Amino acid sequence: EAAVTQSPRNKVAVTGGKVTLSCNQTNNHNNMYWYRQDTGHGLRLIHYSYGAGSTEKGDIPDGYKASRPSQENFSLILELATPSQTSVYFCASGGTGSQNTLYFGAGTRLSVL
Amino acid sequence: AQSVTQPDARVTVSEGASLQLRCKYSYSATPYLFWYVQYPRQGLQLLLKYYSGDPVVQGVNGFEAEFSKSNSSFHLRKASVHWSDSAVYFCAVSGNNNNAPRFGAGTKLTVKP
Repeated sequence: EAAVTQSPRNKVAVTGGKVTLSCNQTNNHNNMYWYRQDTGHGLRLIHYSYGAGSTEKGDIPDGYKASRPSQENFSLILELATPSQTSVYFCASGGTGSQNTLYFGAGTRLSVL
Repeated sequence: AQSVTQPDARVTVSEGASLQLRCKYSYSATPYLFWYVQYPRQGLQLLLKYYSGDPVVQGVNGFEAEFSKSNSSFHLRKASVHWSDSAVYFCAVSGNNNNAPRFGAGTKLTVKP
């Protein structure tokens, strides 16, 4: 069964601190995505990747960096966390073309104080 | 980039009643369209998807959706809802050029007993 695992599940960070959110998939999908979910906005695309070594900017990339060191792993990095980045973050993996159904992790709830 | 509008933030229906959740998309090429469901404190799961062919597609748990190119819509329907259908429903759009899926703001469905 397709599996996407996010860690940590919950995180409290201080303003100005560095936060790394990790995502691992066992689906052997080329594509991976980071979204944030906020009330009234649904899921907004932050960064995505087409494969190991590649990262692309989504619709709201400011304040975030991404890293895809391998097929399985995709990280989201907040170098200088701000309270406006308090949100629930979802990682997803998917295939290409007609196989691009997304498989989501359970989410990471991040609070920046 | 493509976009999705879900005009109803909240919908409340009685158990056994029929349901329609609305979705309008904007995309210049042939769209791939999806409905996902999110139960509390979980990631999103696929309900159904449309790529081509019959504009009415069937999904899990009795859900179906109808694609209309002329109206740029992909509305979700169910003939008779159950209390367990209470959840948040997201419409999403991508394309056949491997572009990243974009989501609507979601519709929170509450089914009254």
